[in-house]
Amino acid sequence: AQSVTQLDSQVPVFEEAPVELRCNYSSSVSVYLFWYVQYPNQGLQLLLKYLSGSTLVKGINGFEAEFNKSQTSFHLRKPSVHISDTAEYFCAVRDTGFQKLVFGTGTRLLVSP
Amino acid sequence: DARVTQTPRHKVTEMGQEVTMRCQPILGHNTVFWYRQTMMQGLELLAYFRNRAPLDDSGMPKDRFSAEMPDATLATLKIQPSEPRDSAVYFCASGPGTGNEKLFFGSGTQLSVL
Repeated sequence: AQSVTQLDSQVPVFEEAPVELRCNYSSSVSVYLFWYVQYPNQGLQLLLKYLSGSTLVKGINGFEAEFNKSQTSFHLRKPSVHISDTAEYFCAVRDTGFQKLVFGTGTRLLVSP
Repeated sequence: DARVTQTPRHKVTEMGQEVTMRCQPILGHNTVFWYRQTMMQGLELLAYFRNRAPLDDSGMPKDRFSAEMPDATLATLKIQPSEPRDSAVYFCASGPGTGNEKLFFGSGTQLSVL
């Protein structure tokens, strides 16, 4: 079975500063990896996904993530955050066969002026 | 824009009452997921369907929860009897079923059981 660990429950950062949200996964089979974002009182939206190929994946709103197989990590980064990036971010893993999507517990990104 | 529609958006009920949450997946999507979100547990997968057949409902308390897809345009999640610990936001999501695609989430049903 797959599992996802998001090490930080909350990350405070100042506007225009860089940010990294950490995600580690565990799986015995090949997986697809995802980052979703949840704005207040809304459902989740896909930020980016890693399926195969280049380990650096670019998503919407200037976010990117790097897949590191040896460290089983898929950390999310943004070089300069905006107030509007304040939201909850979820890392998720899905095995390539069974297709069950499992989420981490989420990281709340708080961007202040 | 195609979207997943969930009803009701909010539900307040008393302990012991039956609760039914509904989801209309995006037309043409053949996978449907139900998730429950709480502060303590985060997003938990309750059940998911492919072509209307349940593939995995191991995350769902069987004694009080049930999930069905009466047809391709409707998924339901029922709780009977409801308990205060069921208070959470319940999300439905659908996908085209290729396995590597993104899921589209509804806006959720916020359930409060008093």
